[in-house]
Amino acid sequence: IAGITQAPTSQILAAGRRMTLRCTQDMRHNAMYWYRQDLGLGLRLIHYSNTAGTTGKGEVPDGYSVSRANTDDFPLTLASAVPSQTSVYFCASSYTSGGYNEQFFGPGTRLTVL
Amino acid sequence: LAKTTQPISMDSYEGQEVNITCSHNNIATNDYITWYQQFPSQGPRFIIQGYKTKVTNEVASLFIPADRKSSTLSLPRVSLSDTAVYYCLVGDVGENRDDKIIFGKGTRLHILP
Repeated sequence: IAGITQAPTSQILAAGRRMTLRCTQDMRHNAMYWYRQDLGLGLRLIHYSNTAGTTGKGEVPDGYSVSRANTDDFPLTLASAVPSQTSVYFCASSYTSGGYNEQFFGPGTRLTVL
Repeated sequence: LAKTTQPISMDSYEGQEVNITCSHNNIATNDYITWYQQFPSQGPRFIIQGYKTKVTNEVASLFIPADRKSSTLSLPRVSLSDTAVYYCLVGDVGENRDDKIIFGKGTRLHILP
Protein backbone atom coordinates (compact mmCIF):
# COMPACT_ATOMS: atom_id res chain seq x y z
CA ILE A 1 0.00 0.00 0.00
CA ALA A 2 1.29 3.43 -0.88
CA GLY A 3 -0.56 6.42 0.47
CA ILE A 4 -4.25 6.19 1.17
CA THR A 5 -6.67 3.62 -0.21
CA GLN A 6 -10.43 3.29 -0.17
CA ALA A 7 -12.78 0.39 -0.77
CA PRO A 8 -15.00 -0.29 -2.52
CA THR A 9 -14.45 1.87 -5.61
CA SER A 10 -18.18 2.00 -6.17
CA GLN A 11 -21.29 0.46 -4.71
CA ILE A 12 -25.00 0.35 -5.39
CA LEU A 13 -26.97 -0.14 -2.21
CA ALA A 14 -30.62 -0.61 -1.38
CA ALA A 15 -32.13 1.90 1.01
CA GLY A 16 -32.17 0.68 4.59
CA ARG A 17 -29.08 -1.47 4.22
CA ARG A 18 -25.98 -1.05 6.34
CA MET A 19 -22.74 -0.18 4.58
CA THR A 20 -19.15 0.38 5.70
CA LEU A 21 -16.72 2.30 3.54
CA ARG A 22 -13.12 1.42 4.25
CA CYS A 23 -10.13 3.73 4.37
CA THR A 24 -6.53 2.78 5.08
CA GLN A 25 -3.36 4.86 5.08
CA ASP A 26 0.23 3.76 5.46
CA MET A 27 1.80 7.17 6.11
CA ARG A 28 1.42 6.98 9.91
CA HIS A 29 -0.64 10.13 9.80
CA ASN A 30 -2.38 11.07 13.02
CA ALA A 31 -5.40 12.82 11.52
CA MET A 32 -7.98 11.33 9.17
CA TYR A 33 -11.11 12.71 7.56
CA TRP A 34 -14.21 11.68 5.67
CA TYR A 35 -15.78 14.01 3.11
CA ARG A 36 -18.72 13.71 0.78
CA GLN A 37 -18.86 15.50 -2.54
CA ASP A 38 -22.12 16.32 -4.27
CA LEU A 39 -22.58 18.23 -7.50
CA GLY A 40 -22.66 21.95 -6.81
CA LEU A 41 -21.93 21.59 -3.10
CA GLY A 42 -18.19 21.06 -3.06
CA LEU A 43 -16.53 18.95 -0.40
CA ARG A 44 -18.23 18.69 2.97
CA LEU A 45 -16.65 17.18 6.06
CA ILE A 46 -18.60 14.31 7.64
CA HIS A 47 -16.37 13.14 10.51
CA TYR A 48 -12.75 13.46 11.46
CA SER A 49 -10.22 11.92 13.83
CA ASN A 50 -7.31 13.87 15.27
CA THR A 51 -5.59 10.74 16.52
CA ALA A 52 -6.28 7.06 17.08
CA GLY A 53 -9.01 6.58 19.65
CA THR A 54 -10.70 9.95 19.07
CA THR A 55 -13.31 11.12 16.59
CA GLY A 56 -15.31 14.28 15.98
CA LYS A 57 -18.25 15.53 13.96
CA GLY A 58 -17.88 17.64 10.86
CA GLU A 59 -20.42 19.67 8.91
CA VAL A 60 -22.76 16.83 7.91
CA PRO A 61 -22.43 13.96 10.43
CA ASP A 62 -26.05 12.80 10.60
CA GLY A 63 -26.60 9.24 9.40
CA TYR A 64 -22.89 8.36 9.58
CA SER A 65 -20.61 6.94 12.23
CA VAL A 66 -16.86 6.38 12.36
CA SER A 67 -14.33 4.62 14.51
CA ARG A 68 -10.56 4.92 14.86
CA ALA A 69 -9.28 1.80 16.56
CA ASN A 70 -5.76 2.25 15.19
CA THR A 71 -3.67 4.78 13.28
CA ASP A 72 -4.10 3.27 9.84
CA ASP A 73 -7.83 2.61 9.49
CA PHE A 74 -10.81 4.94 9.56
CA PRO A 75 -14.03 3.20 8.44
CA LEU A 76 -17.22 5.13 7.74
CA THR A 77 -20.52 3.35 8.45
CA LEU A 78 -23.97 4.12 7.16
CA ALA A 79 -26.24 2.28 9.59
CA SER A 80 -29.35 2.51 7.42
CA ALA A 81 -28.66 4.06 4.04
CA VAL A 82 -31.03 6.60 2.49
CA PRO A 83 -31.10 7.93 -1.10
CA SER A 84 -29.80 11.35 0.04
CA GLN A 85 -26.55 9.63 0.95
CA THR A 86 -25.86 8.98 -2.71
CA SER A 87 -22.56 10.74 -3.21
CA VAL A 88 -18.85 10.39 -3.80
CA TYR A 89 -17.01 9.80 -0.55
CA PHE A 90 -13.38 10.80 -0.05
CA CYS A 91 -11.15 9.79 2.80
CA ALA A 92 -8.12 11.93 3.61
CA SER A 93 -5.28 12.02 6.10
CA SER A 94 -2.73 14.52 7.35
CA TYR A 95 0.30 14.34 9.61
CA THR A 96 -1.57 16.22 12.30
CA SER A 97 -4.86 18.09 12.37
CA GLY A 98 -5.05 21.81 11.72
CA GLY A 99 -5.32 23.70 8.50
CA TYR A 100 -1.60 24.07 8.00
CA ASN A 101 -1.14 20.41 7.34
CA GLU A 102 -1.44 19.03 3.83
CA GLN A 103 -4.26 16.56 3.42
CA PHE A 104 -3.73 13.51 1.24
CA PHE A 105 -6.85 12.16 -0.40
CA GLY A 106 -7.88 8.68 -1.43
CA PRO A 107 -9.38 7.89 -4.84
CA GLY A 108 -12.95 8.06 -3.58
CA THR A 109 -15.94 5.71 -3.31
CA ARG A 110 -18.96 6.34 -5.49
CA LEU A 111 -22.05 5.25 -3.57
CA THR A 112 -25.54 5.04 -5.00
CA VAL A 113 -28.46 4.39 -2.65
CA LEU A 114 -31.66 3.30 -4.35
CA LEU B 1 -12.83 29.60 11.04
CA ALA B 2 -12.05 32.11 8.34
CA LYS B 3 -14.59 31.94 5.53
CA THR B 4 -13.29 32.12 1.98
CA THR B 5 -14.95 33.48 -1.12
CA GLN B 6 -13.79 32.64 -4.63
CA PRO B 7 -15.35 32.80 -8.09
CA ILE B 8 -17.55 29.86 -8.98
CA SER B 9 -16.05 29.41 -12.42
CA MET B 10 -13.50 30.82 -14.86
CA ASP B 11 -12.61 30.19 -18.50
CA SER B 12 -9.23 30.78 -20.09
CA TYR B 13 -7.21 29.69 -23.11
CA GLU B 14 -4.17 27.52 -23.45
CA GLY B 15 -0.92 29.40 -22.99
CA GLN B 16 -2.49 32.16 -20.91
CA GLU B 17 -1.67 33.01 -17.31
CA VAL B 18 -4.62 32.42 -15.02
CA ASN B 19 -5.14 34.21 -11.73
CA ILE B 20 -7.75 33.03 -9.26
CA THR B 21 -8.41 35.34 -6.33
CA CYS B 22 -9.75 34.25 -2.98
CA SER B 23 -11.11 36.58 -0.30
CA HIS B 24 -10.65 35.76 3.37
CA ASN B 25 -11.45 38.92 5.28
CA ASN B 26 -11.53 37.25 8.69
CA ILE B 27 -8.19 35.47 8.41
CA ALA B 28 -6.54 35.01 11.81
CA THR B 29 -2.94 35.72 12.71
CA ASN B 30 -2.02 32.04 12.83
CA ASP B 31 -3.83 31.04 9.64
CA TYR B 32 -2.04 29.80 6.56
CA ILE B 33 -3.53 29.93 3.06
CA THR B 34 -3.61 26.68 1.13
CA TRP B 35 -4.77 25.84 -2.37
CA TYR B 36 -5.87 22.43 -3.61
CA GLN B 37 -6.58 21.18 -7.13
CA GLN B 38 -9.15 18.54 -8.01
CA PHE B 39 -9.41 16.78 -11.34
CA PRO B 40 -12.63 15.00 -12.32
CA SER B 41 -13.10 11.65 -10.58
CA GLN B 42 -10.11 12.22 -8.30
CA GLY B 43 -9.59 13.51 -4.78
CA PRO B 44 -8.13 16.99 -4.26
CA ARG B 45 -4.38 17.40 -4.13
CA PHE B 46 -2.26 20.07 -2.49
CA ILE B 47 -0.84 22.71 -4.83
CA ILE B 48 0.70 25.47 -2.75
CA GLN B 49 0.64 27.11 0.65
CA GLY B 50 1.74 30.46 2.01
CA TYR B 51 1.53 32.84 4.93
CA LYS B 52 2.49 36.18 3.42
CA THR B 53 4.12 37.80 0.36
CA LYS B 54 4.87 35.40 -2.49
CA VAL B 55 5.43 31.69 -2.73
CA THR B 56 6.40 29.88 -5.92
CA ASN B 57 6.78 26.22 -6.73
CA GLU B 58 6.96 24.16 -9.91
CA VAL B 59 3.19 24.30 -10.36
CA ALA B 60 2.01 27.75 -9.32
CA SER B 61 2.65 31.00 -7.52
CA LEU B 62 0.72 32.36 -4.58
CA PHE B 63 0.52 36.08 -3.96
CA ILE B 64 -0.59 37.35 -0.56
CA PRO B 65 -0.85 41.08 0.14
CA ALA B 66 0.31 42.61 3.39
CA ASP B 67 -3.16 42.65 4.96
CA ARG B 68 -3.65 38.95 4.06
CA LYS B 69 -7.36 39.48 3.45
CA SER B 70 -7.07 37.95 0.01
CA SER B 71 -4.73 35.74 -1.98
CA THR B 72 -4.20 35.02 -5.66
CA LEU B 73 -3.26 31.70 -7.16
CA SER B 74 -1.36 32.20 -10.40
CA LEU B 75 -1.02 29.42 -12.96
CA PRO B 76 1.51 30.30 -15.69
CA ARG B 77 0.86 29.27 -19.29
CA VAL B 78 -2.04 26.94 -18.64
CA SER B 79 -2.77 23.87 -20.72
CA LEU B 80 -5.92 21.82 -21.21
CA SER B 81 -4.78 19.55 -18.39
CA ASP B 82 -5.14 22.42 -15.91
CA THR B 83 -8.92 22.17 -16.24
CA ALA B 84 -9.95 21.38 -12.68
CA VAL B 85 -11.61 22.75 -9.56
CA TYR B 86 -9.36 24.88 -7.35
CA TYR B 87 -10.07 25.28 -3.65
CA CYS B 88 -8.79 28.05 -1.40
CA LEU B 89 -8.61 27.23 2.30
CA VAL B 90 -7.36 29.00 5.39
CA GLY B 91 -6.37 27.32 8.64
CA ASP B 92 -3.80 27.38 11.37
CA VAL B 93 -1.18 25.08 12.75
CA GLY B 94 -3.12 24.11 15.83
CA GLU B 95 -3.30 20.43 16.57
CA ASN B 96 -6.28 18.57 17.93
CA ARG B 97 -8.60 21.40 17.11
CA ASP B 98 -12.29 20.89 16.64
CA ASP B 99 -12.69 23.64 14.08
CA LYS B 100 -11.95 22.01 10.80
CA ILE B 101 -10.97 23.23 7.41
CA ILE B 102 -13.82 24.10 5.06
CA PHE B 103 -13.25 23.30 1.39
CA GLY B 104 -16.33 25.03 0.05
CA LYS B 105 -17.33 24.84 -3.61
CA GLY B 106 -14.07 25.98 -5.17
CA THR B 107 -13.48 27.62 -8.55
CA ARG B 108 -14.13 25.53 -11.63
CA LEU B 109 -11.43 26.47 -14.17
CA HIS B 110 -12.06 25.52 -17.77
CA ILE B 111 -9.19 25.83 -20.21
CA LEU B 112 -10.13 26.19 -23.85
CA PRO B 113 -7.94 25.30 -26.85
